[in-house]
Amino acid sequence: EADIYQTPRYLVIGTGKKITLECSQTMGHDKMYWYQQDPGMELHLIHYSYGVNSTEKGDLSSESTVSRIRTEHFPLTLESARPSHTSQYLCASSATGTNSPLHFGNGTRLTVT
Amino acid sequence: QKEVEQDPGPLSVPEGAIVSLNCTYSNSAFQYFMWYRQYSRKGPELLMYTYSSGNKEDGRFTAQVDKSSKYISLFIRDSQPSDSATYLCAMMGFQKLVFGTGTRLLVSP
Repeated sequence: EADIYQTPRYLVIGTGKKITLECSQTMGHDKMYWYQQDPGMELHLIHYSYGVNSTEKGDLSSESTVSRIRTEHFPLTLESARPSHTSQYLCASSATGTNSPLHFGNGTRLTVT
Repeated sequence: QKEVEQDPGPLSVPEGAIVSLNCTYSNSAFQYFMWYRQYSRKGPELLMYTYSSGNKEDGRFTAQVDKSSKYISLFIRDSQPSDSATYLCAMMGFQKLVFGTGTRLLVSP
């Protein structure tokens, strides 16, 4: 059972709306990540954080922003949603060690109409 | 060329078969290897995590790493319909983590 929680699980929203995808973990992990996953494609890292008040952009350019005010919470925000943002968004966390494996939440499937 | 290559499948097998899932990679910096299982509409779940070359067994699952050939495998013995999912390989080294695109496995009763 996952110790990393994402809400909402599904979201259908109109173009131009502001949205926030929530992610929380109870494992006390310092590192947290946001990935984007499209069918048949590999996971693409869009944001990561190595601790409170630390955020970095990932390999895939994204118009979203993130914040890390608390260790357990890593929300992702889109100020103005567009149809090109339609995708599955996966949140993950890992322990402090350099090569610790990632643990994923169940994702938010976002559809922008 | 992608750093990690994984056949997308689908791979269809009958219940009870031995399944072999594979990934190849090109970056010799990768030292840690993972297999994730992802059911439809769920997040990836960590199945196996290995470091060295050789085999690691966990129940019906065996992960094999051959660093000299840059090739990793996941074997599933006595496959069950509940094993039907997408299997993602992932590799890590020097703080770089790369995922394969996943192989879809279908186990029919």
